[in-house]
Amino acid sequence: DIQMTQSPSSLSASVGDRVTITCRASQSISNYLNWYQQKPGKAPKLLIYGASSLQSGVPSRFSGSGSGTDFTLTISSLQPEDFATYYCQQSYRTSWTFGQGTRVEIK
Amino acid sequence: EVQLVESGGGLVKPGGSLRLSCAASGFTFSSYSMNWVRQAPGKGLEWVSCISGSSSYIYYADSVKGRFTISRDNAKNSLYLQMNSLRAEDTAMYYCARDRTRAYDAFDIWGQGTVVTVSS
Repeated sequence: DIQMTQSPSSLSASVGDRVTITCRASQSISNYLNWYQQKPGKAPKLLIYGASSLQSGVPSRFSGSGSGTDFTLTISSLQPEDFATYYCQQSYRTSWTFGQGTRVEIK
Repeated sequence: EVQLVESGGGLVKPGGSLRLSCAASGFTFSSYSMNWVRQAPGKGLEWVSCISGSSSYIYYADSVKGRFTISRDNAKNSLYLQMNSLRAEDTAMYYCARDRTRAYDAFDIWGQGTVVTVSS
């Protein structure tokens, strides 16, 4: 299976901050990389697919980049509703695998 | 409204069985691959299984292969997960999720989840 590793595991940030989360794949996955947001007690929500394509309805402050093995999710200006856990996921090969998650907390 | 609603979770003893269901509405169910994804308490997301729209392709995570069976009934707009030989480590919230099934696979619609607890 392809292993996905996110960093950091958690971070503290303030409203308005620029936040960057990194995801690394154990082998090249081209740009078959997705990002999800999950709030406590809720189902995950798709933010980014294909490494950099914004899912419909997702605010433009979210962006994704990268290809091969290294990927980044950026929140350009953190908003109160963005405090959540973020997961990357590879869709290059079944079985699909997720990163361990990055918890974004209020500073 | 596009919606997925899971049901069938509950408390079951180790070695027991359970069948989860996911009712879909608001989209052409047969056109989409569907997945089960689970999340153990306080843990991350784990993909469990997927099935193509026509049931031609089925895949499982190694952790459930041989014990779980995914299926669908397109006439009833429903997805199922038959879980046998359940173990304590299968305890989790189980979500059904739609695959956007275009150039890039991604889970674009999720249900609210159903809880499975395996305990004696």
